[in-house]
Amino acid sequence: SQKIEQNSEALNIQEGKTATLTCNYTNYSPAYLQWYRQDPGRGPVFLLLIRENEKEKRKERLKVTFDTTLKQSLFHITASQPADSATYLCALYMDSNYQLIWGAGTKLIIKP
Amino acid sequence: DAGITQSPRHKVTETGTPVTLRCHQTENHRYMYWYRQDPGHGLRLIHYSYGVKDTDKGEVSDGYSVSRSKTEDFLLTLESATSSQTSVYFCAISDSVVADTQYFGPGTRLTVL
Repeated sequence: SQKIEQNSEALNIQEGKTATLTCNYTNYSPAYLQWYRQDPGRGPVFLLLIRENEKEKRKERLKVTFDTTLKQSLFHITASQPADSATYLCALYMDSNYQLIWGAGTKLIIKP
Repeated sequence: DAGITQSPRHKVTETGTPVTLRCHQTENHRYMYWYRQDPGHGLRLIHYSYGVKDTDKGEVSDGYSVSRSKTEDFLLTLESATSSQTSVYFCAISDSVVADTQYFGPGTRLTVL
């Protein structure tokens, strides 16, 4: 069956450290992958997009990698801050049906 | 929230009653989407629209219908609400192809008793 897996348990990180979140998928061949941030009671907000032919993408303190062989994307936040605390969602775009398929998200908690 | 509003923001209703949720955008984006979000699940697409009067089904469309009579408005209707439709509903918009970056509204929390 087709699955997208993100850590269901919250990730606790000390302020200033690098937070790394994973998005694993099976039985998909996505054209590209997106990462979103969601705060409690609000809609997701787009952060980064990475295409299947790109290995890495950066935006300020954020870095995303995409390994189509491992079927995995890693999302890194360097020099993490308490304000980075949120739930982070990955979404895969499928060329086959033109839709985004979403992971359930990982809750990130940055402790001061 | 990128010029997207949803109404109502909260609604409690009873099983068997019809419910309509409204999404309004001021961005003039072509594509509009309705998702539901439940604990432990990713966002699941209910229906989407690729233009006025042009809509298509998503992954979980059973029990839902949509209409888009104007570019700026996308309505989601539950013809006869059931408890399994208790969820948070998000509207999203995108500018170009279906899976372009999506911008989300604030959500509607619907409880069906």
